[in-house]
Amino acid sequence: GAVVSQHPSRVICKSGTSVKIECRSLDFQATTMFWYRQFPKQSLMLMATSNEGSKATYEQGVEKDKFLINHASLTLSTLTVTSAHPEDSSFYICSAPTTGNTEAFFGQGTRLTVV
Amino acid sequence: AQSVTQLGSHVSVSEGALVLLRCNYSSSVPPYLFWYVQYPNQGLQLLLKYTTGATLVKGINGFEAEFKKSETSFHLTKPSAHMSDAAEYFCAATGGGNKLTFGTGTQLKVEL
Repeated sequence: GAVVSQHPSRVICKSGTSVKIECRSLDFQATTMFWYRQFPKQSLMLMATSNEGSKATYEQGVEKDKFLINHASLTLSTLTVTSAHPEDSSFYICSAPTTGNTEAFFGQGTRLTVV
Repeated sequence: AQSVTQLGSHVSVSEGALVLLRCNYSSSVPPYLFWYVQYPNQGLQLLLKYTTGATLVKGINGFEAEFKKSETSFHLTKPSAHMSDAAEYFCAATGGGNKLTFGTGTQLKVEL
């Protein structure tokens, strides 16, 4: 099946710094990618839809200036958590749909801890 | 709006016993339905999906699910649980465009 690679898998950063998370589709092109956040023992909540060559679409309640998304190519989307705070600590997961949109493949996730 | 409900946040079964994880959806249009499994600190792996056609869908690791439109359900089953099945399971739905709506998840525990 298609492969989506997410990096880094874990990151610890100091409060106030920024962290960049990369999501790559390794063997297919993805004009759209999705970014989810998962708090401990909770479900995945969609944060935003990343669109290649255009602005991302954010879900209600998600601060676009805090969670910067860039989809510069057909195989790479990045999520930057700016001025991170401890409450941003979470598990972030990206996904990319395949052609035909009948399935989405997920990255391995990134465990962000802000101290 | 679409929603997905998973009954039971925790399910415990004995090894070799039947696994039944419940999922109900609400949607104004027939959705695509998915079951994903998540192991600790990992991403999601697709177990199976229903798009169109046969309503009984077989997936990996011996899991299967049946789409029942009249009951708006897509329950996940496995005849005989194995210790390696212990994980978090998520039911999800999309009406198209691949923007998934997830259920709250069910933690499956398998005991000896």
